[in-house]
Amino acid sequence: EIVLTQSPDSLSLSPGERATLSCRASQNVNSYYLAWYQQKPGQAPRLLIYGASNRVTGIPDRFSGSESGTDFTLIISRLEPEDFAVYYCQYFGSSWWPFGQGTKVEIK
Amino acid sequence: QLQLVQSGAEVKKPGASVKVSCEASGYTFTTYGITWVRQAPGQGLEWMGYISVSTGNTNYAQKFQGRVTITADTSTSVVYMELRNLRSDDTAVYFCARGTGTFFHTTRAFDIWGQGTTVTVSS
Repeated sequence: EIVLTQSPDSLSLSPGERATLSCRASQNVNSYYLAWYQQKPGQAPRLLIYGASNRVTGIPDRFSGSESGTDFTLIISRLEPEDFAVYYCQYFGSSWWPFGQGTKVEIK
Repeated sequence: QLQLVQSGAEVKKPGASVKVSCEASGYTFTTYGITWVRQAPGQGLEWMGYISVSTGNTNYAQKFQGRVTITADTSTSVVYMELRNLRSDDTAVYFCARGTGTFFHTTRAFDIWGQGTTVTVSS
């Protein structure tokens, strides 16, 4: 059973800084099935990235995703005030679809 | 308008059942599957299960097997999630979301989300 572990649990940064969020899978996975979401308090999650690196239409290009083996990374190149939120990765496995535990990006 | 609209908040007693609805609009209902995800207070997202609307086939997380049933009514474009034998730790916001594929194995993301339904389980 695949487990996704995100790190760090929280990140304290200032607007304009770069955020690097990690999502590690417990076994080899197909990057085609890895997605990233953003969730703000009191709101539903929003899809940012699918297939590890494909940005959804309308998502700013400061958001990017990459992979290296079982490690997946979401980068926010220059944080805007609206980017402070919780970010989740998710994998669409053959029998279940787990989420990582989330990384909270906070304003420093 | 492309959207999923969920039913309102529920308060239930332990041992009861709850049935939450999710009405789809703005797209061809049978082209995409629908999933349910829940979020306990202050916690992360937890995937519960999925229905391929075109076939009616379902897949459930092992944790919820035997306690959850997801159904779809193609005549009204509504998906239902019923959770039985409720416990206090089922208190959560329940979200429906549209999968990007027609079937379980062709889904790779959830692109449209409902607004969430708060279910409170308390004696």
